[in-house]
Amino acid sequence: GAGVSQSPSNKVTEKGKDVELRCDPISGHTALYWYRQSLGQGLEFLIYFQGNSAPDKSGLPSDRFSAERTGGSVSTLTIQRTQQEDSAVYLCASSLVVTPGEQFFGPGTRLTVL
Amino acid sequence: AQSVTQLGSHVSVSEGALVLLRCNYSSSVPPYLFWYVQYPNQGLQLLLKYTSAATLVKGINGFEAEFKKSETSFHLTKPSAHMSDAAEYFCAVRQIQGAQKLVFGQGTRLTINP
Repeated sequence: GAGVSQSPSNKVTEKGKDVELRCDPISGHTALYWYRQSLGQGLEFLIYFQGNSAPDKSGLPSDRFSAERTGGSVSTLTIQRTQQEDSAVYLCASSLVVTPGEQFFGPGTRLTVL
Repeated sequence: AQSVTQLGSHVSVSEGALVLLRCNYSSSVPPYLFWYVQYPNQGLQLLLKYTSAATLVKGINGFEAEFKKSETSFHLTKPSAHMSDAAEYFCAVRQIQGAQKLVFGQGTRLTINP
């Protein structure tokens, strides 16, 4: 079947604007992850959803970042009042919760904050 | 806390030569270990994973890695480099129990010289 898809592939925004990034996981995958890839910080975990459990938000860098997952499928990562340091590639991954649960990654959304 | 160190941000080898990419991890609990590859403008693709079974793990595209607990290492090797192996490689660690997030190394960019 189809892999993880993300939209948009590229997003350019002005400092201070809000942005929404979308992730469609692989059908049937109950776990969903967001990571951020930037030159200075490498690949960082942001947030993890598993079924109906409370999400693990331990990687969110500030309260400007939030994410939701509707119906156990599609997820949206929202960044409010964007700053230039938010510029990065945002990667989404999904997995079955069968140990060790290989994570399948989407192509990412490249966010540029001017 | 877990961490991963990849020695060498850039590695260059000749086509047909041995590829060796180094990864050392730190984990207070037994980990799962992964190697991912990222081609330009693409997401991450799993090369191989260690899940506490065999210590020598074979992956796709002729790559393999050996888990050495005494050295806390999980180095990636390929006997003969191909031009198509040019990419960025990431080592990652995850707890067997508990947090599902991947903790990544900083990545190693592999260049293949003709």
